Amino acid sequence: QVQLQESGPGLVKSSETLSLTCGVSGYSIRSGYDWGWIRQPPGKGLEWIGSISHSASTYYNPSLKSRVTISIDTSKNQFSLKVSSVTASDTAVYYCARRPSSSSWSHEFDYWGQGTLVTVSS
Amino acid sequence: QSVLTQPPSVSGAPGQRVTISCTGSSSNIGAGYDVHWYQQLPGAAPKLLIYGDSNRPSGVPDRFSGSKSGASASLAISGLQAEDEADYYCQSYDSSLSGVVFGGGTRLTVL
Repeated sequence: QVQLQESGPGLVKSSETLSLTCGVSGYSIRSGYDWGWIRQPPGKGLEWIGSISHSASTYYNPSLKSRVTISIDTSKNQFSLKVSSVTASDTAVYYCARRPSSSSWSHEFDYWGQGTLVTVSS
Repeated sequence: QSVLTQPPSVSGAPGQRVTISCTGSSSNIGAGYDVHWYQQLPGAAPKLLIYGDSNRPSGVPDRFSGSKSGASASLAISGLQAEDEADYYCQSYDSSLSGVVFGGGTRLTVL
């Protein structure tokens, strides 16, 4: 069974960098597929942050692109997210997820982590 | 403002059928990109409910069905049950934005 687990600080100070890691079990990420990050501010909807392929190709939400970096470490079977210069509007539950389709016409996420709340404090 | 438009809320009595719409444009659903649906129970992560417009992952009851026409898609839930009370999100890809887009979400209330 594929499982994803987010980890990282739950509290980040304004203007600093948010860093999260997603550990994957039950599947070797070097085998394929893309891996993504999605966030959900409290009481609001889902927002795609960006995704990375198993070969480390990245694509980001244009509204966040200047502040986001996603990387992958196949030796540790994990991928990571960094968001720089955070503000209160970056406070959200952050989810990592797997995108199983190789088709450019389909971008669903089939397995999700449980999510981790990151609060940006002033 | 979400790229994909969903009604904020829908409701129905147990046993009834409800539908949730998802309206996009020529750069996403209308361009032929697949639509996917997620169910998010309170306090839980989203769960893939429908993928590729109308396909159900293993374990999803056939009470849930998806369809697409033009630049819009719909999720139908028949035989409504109390456990279906949740938030539902549609998702696709937008070529103008070069990225994944979600609808704003619809809260389903079972009366």
